[in-house]
Amino acid sequence: GAVVSQHPSRVICKSGTSVKIECRSLDFQATTMFWYRQFPKQSLMLMATSNEGSKATYEQGVEKDKFLINHASLTLSTLTVTSAHPEDSSFYICSAVPDSNTDTQYFGPGTRLTVL
Amino acid sequence: GENVEQHPSTLSVQEGDSAVIKCTYSDSASNYFPWYKQELGKRPQLIIDIRSNVGEKKDQRIAVTLNKTAKHFSLHITETQPEDSAVYFCAPFTGNQFYFGTGTSLTVIP
Repeated sequence: GAVVSQHPSRVICKSGTSVKIECRSLDFQATTMFWYRQFPKQSLMLMATSNEGSKATYEQGVEKDKFLINHASLTLSTLTVTSAHPEDSSFYICSAVPDSNTDTQYFGPGTRLTVL
Repeated sequence: GENVEQHPSTLSVQEGDSAVIKCTYSDSASNYFPWYKQELGKRPQLIIDIRSNVGEKKDQRIAVTLNKTAKHFSLHITETQPEDSAVYFCAPFTGNQFYFGTGTSLTVIP
């Protein structure tokens, strides 16, 4: 149990385009999901907390207009990187917190974004 | 967000020796303390965790100790094996978010 999927696993796009990444909890409900970004040889940096039915909470320094988060159901959160630039190239990982155990998180497999 | 540091940042040990990684955090409200192992290009994997009402927890070759007063907790790996080579992260939970530590790259030399 406790499976989280993330799509796509890899995406290459041109500078200026937008990219949407989906995070799904497959066998549990998750009111809360987290989005992280990880640059090579660095730690996971929390970008935002996604809450079903309400606006996401962004960490300091993360542009909410650039990284749009939508958490429309208890099993799906999406992150849209708008007007992507090469510096947005990174590994994006989501995690989902089960409503039944709110101090645990289960990670998706990650999305490797490359912006040309 | 919470300030989380790990030491050392890199660690090399001979196979069979022990490894210890320390995590210090700043938010006294943190109440759940997990350790994750991450292999290159993959998602973090929970290897052990401890809650604030416990001082130590052990699972076979892996243990975690917690000092809430001093705001640090440590990962202990005994009888290390080459497959333990990876990057390890602590990520104390504040009650609202997890903030990852700076990471420790462990290399176990056969």
